[in-house]
Amino acid sequence: GQSLEQPSEVTAVEGAIVQINCTYQTSGFYGLSWYQQHDGGAPTFLSYNALDGLEETGRFSSFLSRSDSYGYLLLQELQMKDSASYFCAVRGEDSSYKLIFGSGTRLLVRP
Amino acid sequence: SAVISQKPSRDICQRGTSLTIQCQVDSQVTMMFWYRQQPGQSLTLIATANQGSEATYESGFVIDKFPISRPNLTFSTLTVSNMSPEDSSIYLCSVRTGTEAFFGQGTRLTVV
Repeated sequence: GQSLEQPSEVTAVEGAIVQINCTYQTSGFYGLSWYQQHDGGAPTFLSYNALDGLEETGRFSSFLSRSDSYGYLLLQELQMKDSASYFCAVRGEDSSYKLIFGSGTRLLVRP
Repeated sequence: SAVISQKPSRDICQRGTSLTIQCQVDSQVTMMFWYRQQPGQSLTLIATANQGSEATYESGFVIDKFPISRPNLTFSTLTVSNMSPEDSSIYLCSVRTGTEAFFGQGTRLTVV
């Protein structure tokens, strides 16, 4: 079966940099996605990596190493509004378009 | 992109009753996905709803408990049947366009 593991909680101070890791197990791999979810809100798409390397989108970057079945989300210049849960996700092993989500990391940004 | 209208946003229901959740998408999509999320937990896929065919359920979820309708390419419903307090959760519908998934705002269900 598929599984994605993330740290349950990360705390950082405003202005700092934080890295949220994701290790995955899946027999069929079609890329790693990241989603942000604020309390009471819907998940929103942050980034997608299909190939190894770093993808940068503003303050957020995402990295993938397919050989290590590992990826991370890097958040720079942290702001209070970045306090949220972050989920990594992969497509179903059967190549379907469904998404399987990781356990989620709750990020708390302190002043 | 896609915009999804989901309703109701929340409800409190008596055990043994059923609740139907509706999702309307602003564009035509082949597949719609239904997730369940316990507060503070991850999203668990319930089923994939395809237009013109029966929904495909994930392990642990059955059609009798979570019947799904998909009458056209922009609309789907999920019914939570014969509810018990264990069904209290947030239910979300989702669609994908390309590599990006979009979600409804969720239905917060409390069963008493």
